[in-house]
Formats: sequence, structure tokens, C-alpha cells
Amino acid sequence: DAGITQSPRHKVTETGTPVTLRCHQTENHRYMYWYRQDPGHGLRLIHYSYGVKDTDKGEVSDGYSVSRSKTEDFLLTLESATSSQTSVYFCAISELNQPQHFGDGTRLSIL
Amino acid sequence: SQQGEEDPQALSIQEGENATMNCSYKTSINNLQWYRQNSGRGLVHLILIRSNEREKHSGRLRVTLDTSKKSSSLLITASRAADTASYFCATALGNQFYFGTGTSLTVIP
Repeated sequence: DAGITQSPRHKVTETGTPVTLRCHQTENHRYMYWYRQDPGHGLRLIHYSYGVKDTDKGEVSDGYSVSRSKTEDFLLTLESATSSQTSVYFCAISELNQPQHFGDGTRLSIL
Repeated sequence: SQQGEEDPQALSIQEGENATMNCSYKTSINNLQWYRQNSGRGLVHLILIRSNEREKHSGRLRVTLDTSKKSSSLLITASRAADTASYFCATALGNQFYFGTGTSLTVIP
């Protein structure tokens, strides 16, 4: 597997609390992505980064923010979690026009 | 949305048979990629076909791309029980990827 680590792997939290998911890579890839996967929707892009401190919104960015202060780490934050954000979250890395490599996901439940 | 659509949504075949799944998309692409996802795991890249290519092979996998019809197909030959998984197509334009909703393949031993 490509060197991608997501943490935590599982989390249960309550509505209204802040949540931060971490993606760490050891491949020095330029691009990093956060997706959510829900039944019937496939993978949907939340935010992506094309370099340190360079990020952009994806298809479903409302309610999420990201930060990338160094090449190897990409953080996804839910400022005030809602039940609609219960999902499986995947981080991916790539170089331009190259395949993506995925982490094993974070299963997030918001009660 | 540029999201691709896979067809069929679910496919069940006997071991040794071939499996074909299709992907349609909406706008121009740089390349199209196919991924596999085993239950509870992340996606694993299978094969990439560029927009100027029409067919590509990798082991038991054969991918075709028809940019005029905005469609692609993935053929898995001589399927094995270990091929049981969900398969997704992803279109790439610039540095963004758009995934379809996937085909769930079950290979019966």
C-alpha cells in the first residue's frame, strides 16, 4: 500500500461538536484529497489540496474546512458536526494526471 | 456534475465467466481510471486509459474508451472469487477526479 495513514479509523461523536480527521502521507505527493462515501452516491469530493497552504473546494464542501501546513498532512475539520455528515471519509493522494492512492478510511458516526 | 455512472449497479457471475461493466460520463476528460474496493477498505487503482487511447490491457483486465460516446467498459476475464468487490470508474480533468456510483460484482465459486 502507498504510505497513507488516516486517523482515527473510527469515531463516534455528538451533533454540534468539532471533529478533525487527519491524513498523513509518506510519498511526498503534491495532491491530497478528502472524499466522503455514502450509499447510492459513490465517492464525492469535499476538498483537495495542490500544495502546502493551497486548497480548493470540491462538490460537497459546505460544513467542512481543510488545512495543509506541510506536504505530508492534510486535515479535514467539521466545525460543528451534523447527523448528515455521518459517513465514511477517504483521503487520497496523487500526482497530476496520475492514479490516486487511497487510505483505508475513517468511519464517522454523528449522533 | 461530471460524475460517471456505472452499469449495471450489481452483477453476479460464476467463477470462470467474464464480467463486463460500463461507465458513462458527461464532459471532456484527460483520462479515465478504474478502481476496485473491497469491503471496508479504500479504493485500489486498477488501470488508467488516456483520452487519446481506445483500448488498454492489464493482465485479465481489458478497458475500452469511446470519447465520442463518453463511455468506457471494463472487462474482467476468467473471473475468480477474489474479484468480488465494487468497481468504480473515475474521470480526471485537471487535478480533480469524479467517481461513479460503482458496480458491485459477486463471483460465485
